[in-house]
Amino acid sequence: DVQLVESGGGLVQPGESRKLSCAASGFTFSSFGMHWVRQAPEKGLEWVAYISSGSSTIYYSDTVKGRFTISRDNPKNTLFLQMTSLRSEDTAMYYCARVPWDYWGQGTTLTVSS
Amino acid sequence: DIVMTQSQKFMSTSVGDRVNITCKASQYVRTAVAWFQQKPGQSPKVLIYLASNRHTGVPDRFTGSGSGTDFTLTINNVQSEDLADYFCLQHWNYPLTFGAGTKLELK
Repeated sequence: DVQLVESGGGLVQPGESRKLSCAASGFTFSSFGMHWVRQAPEKGLEWVAYISSGSSTIYYSDTVKGRFTISRDNPKNTLFLQMTSLRSEDTAMYYCARVPWDYWGQGTTLTVSS
Repeated sequence: DIVMTQSQKFMSTSVGDRVNITCKASQYVRTAVAWFQQKPGQSPKVLIYLASNRHTGVPDRFTGSGSGTDFTLTINNVQSEDLADYFCLQHWNYPLTFGAGTKLELK
């Protein structure tokens, strides 16, 4: 069965960094592009970043560009989101999702607060 | 950036009704639109891709239509398990953008 399991969330202070992971299993991870999507409490969905299967193509939302870095380790079947200069508005549930959006993880919660 | 407008934040319905949830793109997106359903405490689930293609396992009471800038998700014979939040997404251009969502509630 396809599984995506996010981890790495937690409570951080404004200005700090955090790295999220998404462990993939049940499919050939290296063949699929991947997205990060987030959802602030009681809010809608916000697309964050995309990485192609071989990491050659990467896109970011304007709100995270320059602060977040998406990457992947295909041999280890893992997707990452390195987040720096975190702000309170980055507080959200972070989901990884496989292209074409057919599988999502259960999410990991990041809270940015002093 | 392309803005996806779901003008109805809430929609009230009864079991057995038909509902149309709409999404309007601020510019042309051809048929690069997906629809998602999200229930409380759960991850979103894709219902429709490329505007009108039903994802595997999605009941046929869910239908997507539209192209260009105007898109509709129709739910025929609404069931109680369909009460949820619905989001559209355009994937024609980066940055990808979601609609703000429509919450389907019981009257």
